[in-house]
Amino acid sequence: AQKVTQAQTEISVVEKEDVTLDCVYETRDTTYYLFWYKQPPSGELVFLIRRNSFDEQNEISGRYSWNFQKSTSSFNFTITASQVVDSAVYFCALSSSNTGKLIFGQGTTLQVKP
Amino acid sequence: DAGITQSPRYKITETGRQVTLMCHQTWSHSYMFWYRQDLGHGLRLIYYSAAADITDKGEVPDGYVVSRSKTENFPLTLESATRSQTSVYFCASSESWTGSSYEQYFGPGTRLTVT
Repeated sequence: AQKVTQAQTEISVVEKEDVTLDCVYETRDTTYYLFWYKQPPSGELVFLIRRNSFDEQNEISGRYSWNFQKSTSSFNFTITASQVVDSAVYFCALSSSNTGKLIFGQGTTLQVKP
Repeated sequence: DAGITQSPRYKITETGRQVTLMCHQTWSHSYMFWYRQDLGHGLRLIYYSAAADITDKGEVPDGYVVSRSKTENFPLTLESATRSQTSVYFCASSESWTGSSYEQYFGPGTRLTVT
């Protein structure tokens, strides 16, 4: 069975601190996709990144970076120099290439205080 | 330029009533999905559809019915609403589920309260 675990329920940091959100996944598929979504207080889901299982290269996009390690089944998300606008719920998700169904983690609520 | 829309955005209904949540996308995406979001559970898949007239159950399908007679619409019906179905419902669509362009686009959500 597929499973995504986000062990951090809530994280609180002060603005400009770096913060890492953890994501651990379980799957028996050899081909799969990993995602991060952001859900701001307004409620919509914002796509941040997709990674396929064959691409372990880390990615950086501005203040955001992602570390994908198949050896530990982890896909962690780091925000550098956090800002108040980063306050949101962040979801990690897993999809099999066979079905396309997204399995979400429970989400991590990030609060960035000024 | 609508993308994916859901209606209504907010709904209050009584236990036992039938209620239908609408989802419409303008991209002609083949795949559509319904998720519910509950505190502590993240989002869980209710039903999905690979094309018009092709639907399948997700993780939590009990109490829900879907149909897809047209590619752009994917309504979700609660046949006899229960308080446990109080939730936020998200519809999503995607062009495919493999490849470099794979992404699910989410609607704004419908907040449903069953009293």
